[in-house]
Amino acid sequence: NAGVTQTPKFQVLKTGQSMTLQCAQDMNHEYMSWYRQDPGMGLRLIHYSVGAGITDQGEVPNGYNVSRSTTEDFPLRLLSAAPSQTSVYFCASSYAGIGELFFGEGSRLTVL
Amino acid sequence: GENVEQHPSTLSVQEGDSAVIKCTYSDSASNYFPWYKQELGKRPQLIIDIRSNVGEKKDQRIAVTLNKTAKHFSLHITETQPEDSAVYFCAEKPLGGNQFYFGTGTSLTVIP
Repeated sequence: NAGVTQTPKFQVLKTGQSMTLQCAQDMNHEYMSWYRQDPGMGLRLIHYSVGAGITDQGEVPNGYNVSRSTTEDFPLRLLSAAPSQTSVYFCASSYAGIGELFFGEGSRLTVL
Repeated sequence: GENVEQHPSTLSVQEGDSAVIKCTYSDSASNYFPWYKQELGKRPQLIIDIRSNVGEKKDQRIAVTLNKTAKHFSLHITETQPEDSAVYFCAEKPLGGNQFYFGTGTSLTVIP
């Protein structure tokens, strides 16, 4: 039982490049979400999903896209990276969104 | 959007003393209040949570209290130990909502 797995752990991009952060969970959780963590700002919700085929925006969705084709996977896409997207990104899942959030190990992204 | 205020942002205590972190929220519909601990370079992990039908919950040296009338909840750590040093985040989730809203975090340092 791996829990929530994120890849890559570290990534450096140039402004304008695109990339996808991968997130997978093996707990059969319906609810999955992406957060970004910046110093002094806590964890801010980017996008979330309550089940396969359903996604919705969080507090800071601009510049990010998501999709949820399966229960297990919830990738986060940056179409044209900007320095303001330099951050640590966490994927998290929970059972039906009503209890504990299980976080991945995080992905540290630097945009130059 | 929802707003969770967390204080203090930094807290230093002597080993063996108690630590208290407070959070206030604005949405009266909030009914779930978890606390997460994040050690340096690690993922956030749930340490305790409380639901709106309960005023206090304890788990060994950790307790959470909730005052729904005043819309605030607090984390209490007694007999602090150096391994309690971490960043602590409060969060809240409205009843029927799908978004978890996090505070900005408290960096706790326990001085041996």
